Amino acid sequence: AQKITQTQPGMFVQEKEAVTLDCTYDTSDQSYGLFWYKQPSSGEMIFLIYQGSYDEQNATEGRYSLNFQKARKSANLVISASQLGDSAMYFCAMREGRSAGNMLTFGGGTRLMVKP
Amino acid sequence: KAGVTQTPRYLIKTRGQQVTLSCSPISGHRSVSWYQQTPGQGLQFLFEYFSETQRNKGNFPGRFSGRQFSNSRSEMNVSTLELGDSALYLCASSYDRGEQYFGPGTRLTVT
Repeated sequence: AQKITQTQPGMFVQEKEAVTLDCTYDTSDQSYGLFWYKQPSSGEMIFLIYQGSYDEQNATEGRYSLNFQKARKSANLVISASQLGDSAMYFCAMREGRSAGNMLTFGGGTRLMVKP
Repeated sequence: KAGVTQTPRYLIKTRGQQVTLSCSPISGHRSVSWYQQTPGQGLQFLFEYFSETQRNKGNFPGRFSGRQFSNSRSEMNVSTLELGDSALYLCASSYDRGEQYFGPGTRLTVT
């Protein structure tokens, strides 16, 4: 079974509107971390936001927020007030348990295109 | 603070050759992880080094190996290159188990 599932291969959003990118995960660990990365066409992976499994509050970083629903095993990324520079691939990733070190399992990604 | 650097940025090799890629982590970071990204398989974890020891290994053949030096710089080596090894190779650094910061990647083309 896929550990990280991103069901939206591609999405369009109008500039200045908010957009939600979906991510569901599968793990039997109680302790895990969820990450979102942005990958522009240049290839570099840019860290956006992190949510720990024990964090009670949803993580926020500027225009990015993570809608964490533990019981549903979802960790959706919300981008408010989209900008043209937000056009990129977005990856959800998970790090499981203590024994996994820093190993991240990535989803297939969502290509976001922001329309002017 | 300087980010993660990877060299070279682009590389073209022939089948059967070997290649060494280098990654310099953010100063103070002790963990370096390597990932392979291809259109077909997506992003896949190769291995992680922490304080010169391999802490984790992904499901890749033994042709893929790595090491970490005392200054935390890391190298990965691929021997007997195959066409399917053409990919973007990304390294990421972290202090321990915190957020990982990625480098710009090395794009390897095997012909």
